[in-house]
Amino acid sequence: EVQLVESGGGLVQPGRSLRLSCAASGFTFEVYAMHWVRQAPGKGLEWVSSINWDTEGIDYADSVKGRFTISRDNAKNSLYLQMNSLRVEDTALYYCAKDRAYSLDYWGQGTLVTVSS
Amino acid sequence: QSALTQPASVSGSPGQSITISCTGTSNDVGGYNHVSWYQHHAGKAPKLIIYEVTNWPSGVSHRFSGSKSGNTASLTISGLQAEDEADYYCSSYTSSNTRVFGGGTRLTVL
Repeated sequence: EVQLVESGGGLVQPGRSLRLSCAASGFTFEVYAMHWVRQAPGKGLEWVSSINWDTEGIDYADSVKGRFTISRDNAKNSLYLQMNSLRVEDTALYYCAKDRAYSLDYWGQGTLVTVSS
Repeated sequence: QSALTQPASVSGSPGQSITISCTGTSNDVGGYNHVSWYQHHAGKAPKLIIYEVTNWPSGVSHRFSGSKSGNTASLTISGLQAEDEADYYCSSYTSSNTRVFGGGTRLTVL
């Protein structure tokens, strides 16, 4: 059974940093691209970032480019999102998701990030 | 990276069919057959229900079907059931090698 478990969310002040993690199991993590997607309170889904299986392909939404960094450790079956210079508008539930044929076929339950002073 | 355009809400009675549209541009929906649809019940993880415009993941009901014409993709749900009440999102691959979601459509089963 595929499982994705996010962690690392919390309350943080504007301008500070936070690192999210996603622990994957139930599939061969090292061969799949992975994504981060977020949902702000009362809003829709927003794609944040993706990383190829070999970390050679990394992309970001314009809203986070230059502030967020996606990475992975295939030996640990883990995906990460380093979030720097956080803004109030980054407040959201952050999901990690597995890639499948340009879609996202498995999602975690999400970890909540709240940016507030 | 503008969001794809979906109606904010649709509704239908049990047993009826509804269609949700998803409009983008030639740089996303119109340029690739990489459109997917997600069902999202509040408090749960989103669920993939259609990928590559028309394909079903294993275990997904064929009451859900997808199509595309030009820059607009569509999701049709036939034989509406109470458990179909949820938010639905389209998504597309883009020419920038990113992904873009629609704004979401709230389906109400009357």
